[in-house]
Amino acid sequence: DQQVKQNSPSLSVQEGRISILNCDYTNSMFDYFLWYKKYPAEGPTFLISISSIKDKNEDGRFTVFLNKSAKHLSLHIVPSQPGDSAVYFCAAIGSNFGNEKLTFGTGTRLTIIP
Amino acid sequence: EAQVTQNPRYLITVTGKKLTVTCSQNMNHEYMSWYRQDPGLGLRQIYYSMNVEVTDKGDVPEGYKVSRKEKRNFPLILESPSPNQTSLYFCASSLMGTEGLAVSYEQYFGPGTRLTVT
Repeated sequence: DQQVKQNSPSLSVQEGRISILNCDYTNSMFDYFLWYKKYPAEGPTFLISISSIKDKNEDGRFTVFLNKSAKHLSLHIVPSQPGDSAVYFCAAIGSNFGNEKLTFGTGTRLTIIP
Repeated sequence: EAQVTQNPRYLITVTGKKLTVTCSQNMNHEYMSWYRQDPGLGLRQIYYSMNVEVTDKGDVPEGYKVSRKEKRNFPLILESPSPNQTSLYFCASSLMGTEGLAVSYEQYFGPGTRLTVT
């Protein structure tokens, strides 16, 4: 039972254009969402997060949008740069679950084409 | 430098030979966790610990043990490894969710341990 889904295993985007990565979730008790970026041979690194009380959070080139009614979030990267090529994981947590567990999606491999 | 370290980074072993993967963090985090990453499945939680001497099962705990005798260390033990435990393992740590009025669930990950069991 995949509670957090990233339906696009891969995405290729031209350098300088916008990259949009999507994530859907099924558990309505999730109330905090995070995006992680992972390079080969390294651990995931935190990128940006959003609480369910917001619908948008922005940090430089990265913006996360949350649509609670659709149980959908997206990560926008503008403009895309070659260093953004990595695997991106969406993760969700329920603050009332009592165990701080992150539930991860399966990841989307983003390739930025120079 | 704030970090989570894991050792070894790579390990090839045989079925049934007990092994331990160490994890250490220098950020004074209460929360630590182990995940495994498998193709098409993302990262799945194996065990977690809310604080010293407090551990609990995650989603895929079968075949694994953990201990939390000190705040900074959280070793993962495979008493009798089997080929289906061949995977990429990550240790992670974080502060507990709230710090004063701030809410943060960001977890810091180690570099990973690639384990092959033949």
